[in-house]
Amino acid sequence: EVQLLESGGGLVQPVGSLRLSCAASGFTFNTYVMSWVRQAPGKGLEWVSAISGSGGSTYYADSVKGRFTISRDNSKNTVYMQMNSLRAEDTAVYYCAKDRVERTSGSPNFENWGQGALVTVSS
Amino acid sequence: EIVLTQSPATLSLSPGERATLSCRASQSVTKYLAWYQQKPGQAPRLLIYDASNRATGIPARFSGSGSGTDFTLTISSLEPEDFAVYYCQQRSNWPLTFGPGTKVDIK
Repeated sequence: EVQLLESGGGLVQPVGSLRLSCAASGFTFNTYVMSWVRQAPGKGLEWVSAISGSGGSTYYADSVKGRFTISRDNSKNTVYMQMNSLRAEDTAVYYCAKDRVERTSGSPNFENWGQGALVTVSS
Repeated sequence: EIVLTQSPATLSLSPGERATLSCRASQSVTKYLAWYQQKPGQAPRLLIYDASNRATGIPARFSGSGSGTDFTLTISSLEPEDFAVYYCQQRSNWPLTFGPGTKVDIK
């Protein structure tokens, strides 16, 4: 059974930093694109970032480019999101999501999701 | 960036009725359009990928169609558990984008 468990959410002040982690199990981690998708309170879904199975390719939404960095440690089956220069508009539930199929290139669908980690940016 | 527009914003129907949801892209996404269902307090669930393929475990009452810029999600006969918000998402171009959602509520 695929499991994705996010951690690291919490309250942070504007311009502060936070690192989210997503621990994965139940599949061959290093062959799947992994993504972060967020949802502000009462709002819709926003794709944030994705990383290829090897970690060699990364992709970002314009809203976070230059502030957020996605990475993965395939030895630990974990994907990370380092979030710097946080703003109030980054307040959201952050979901970790796994692609539907193994692929070495191309863009993902989101077949499996974690339970989400709440990030609140406020003074 | 490809912008996805969904209509209607809200669809009020009764159990047993047919639901037809629309998603329009600002430029062609060929077939690379997916649909997700989200219930309050839950993570989204993948329903349809690549325009017309049901994801694993999705009931046959859910179907998708379309290509290019115009797509449709159809629920043939609404069950009580189908009242939720539905999002479309394109993976044709980076950045990946979602539509704003259609809420299907009980009439």
